[in-house]
Parts: sequence; C-alpha cells; structure tokens
Amino acid sequence: DVVMTQSPLSLPVTLGQPASISCRSSQSLVYSDGDTYLTWFHQRPGQSPRRLIYKVSYRDSGVPDRFSGSGSGTDFTLKISRVEAEDVGVYYCMEGTHYTFGQGTKLEIK
Amino acid sequence: EVQLVESGGGLVQPGGSLRLSCAASGFTFRIYWMSWVRQSPGKGLEWVANINQDGSEKYYVDSVKGRFTISRDNAKDSLYLQMNSLTAEDTAVYYCARDGKTVLPSLHFWGQGTLVTVSS
Repeated sequence: DVVMTQSPLSLPVTLGQPASISCRSSQSLVYSDGDTYLTWFHQRPGQSPRRLIYKVSYRDSGVPDRFSGSGSGTDFTLKISRVEAEDVGVYYCMEGTHYTFGQGTKLEIK
Repeated sequence: EVQLVESGGGLVQPGGSLRLSCAASGFTFRIYWMSWVRQSPGKGLEWVANINQDGSEKYYVDSVKGRFTISRDNAKDSLYLQMNSLTAEDTAVYYCARDGKTVLPSLHFWGQGTLVTVSS
C-alpha cells in the first residue's frame, strides 16, 4: 500500500510570508496513462475539505493563484506565496489512485 | 452550484446500524462516481467507499468490508451508505463527495458531513 508522508505537521506562518508543505509517497504516483495523480485539499476549522489542486499542479476553479503545486514521482510540494488569514487550517495531500491521504499539515498564523 | 447534503447521522449503540443519505444537486449525478469519506474526531481523512455511475462497481476500505454497503439511486440523485455492526472506531463525520467520471479518485466537491457517534 502507498504511504503518504507530509511535513511539517505543524506550520506557524507570519501573515504575508510564504509557506511550503511537503508530501512524499512511498512509491511513484505516475499512473499508467502517464499522468501523476497527486491532489491537495484544504480544511478550514469546522468546515469540510475543499479540493485545491489536482494532478500535481492544476488549480481548481476559484483557488487563488497564490497557491501552487509542484513535484514529480514521489516528492511533491504545495506552496503559498503569501499567507492570508483565510489560509489557516489543515492541508492534506492524497495519492490519486487509491484515496490514500497524508496525515495533514496544520497551518496557523504566528 | 454543486450541492451535496448528507443526513442520517446520530448516536447508535455498538453493534447497531445506521443509513446515511446524500442528496445531490447542481450537476448530472448519474454520470459521476461518488464516494464516502470519514474523519474521526480530531483526526485525518479516511476514504470509506465509492461507487460507479450505475452502481455495478463498488469498492471499500478493508476496515468496513462486509459491514458497510454503498448504493445510489440516480432517479433521486441520491447516494447512500448502509452501516451495520458499528463499533466505536466508526465514530466520525461522514462526508459525501463527488468523484470524477472515471475510477480515478477526484473528490472534487464535498458535503458538509454528518456525525455518526457509536457509543453505549
């Protein structure tokens, strides 16, 4: 089974500063069709998760362009160029063929 | 606007049963795979089950196989999760989520969730 490992698990960030979350998979996420299926979700406190990014780097409609996804193979990164107050919450990566989630990274404002 | 509204959660005793429902609107329900995902209190996300467009393919996480049954009614734009032999480990918020048009996970849209508490 694929294991998804996120780091850090806790991320205090100053407003306006960048933030970066790492997600590593125990095996390559390149699928047989040649695409890489890695998805990022954001869950604000008390809310349901929201998909932000799919297939490593494709932003969902309405997601601010300060969010970006990158990576390949087994190493992936979610970056927020300038953190805003609404970005607090937990970020999850998910391997995109077997619904395996990372443990989550809690972003808070310093 | 895509909307997914779960219902049916509540308090149930260990060994009991519960049926969750998810009412979908704002999209053509019958052409999408659908999933249930749960989140135990203070914990992370765990995919539970999914179902294809006509209900002929169903997949489950190992921990619920033989106890939970996912189903859908395309005429009613509704998704269901029948949960039997419940244990304390099943206590969680259960989310209904819209997948894509293929078997590959998408979880593009989520409902607000319904809380299931298994306790005596």
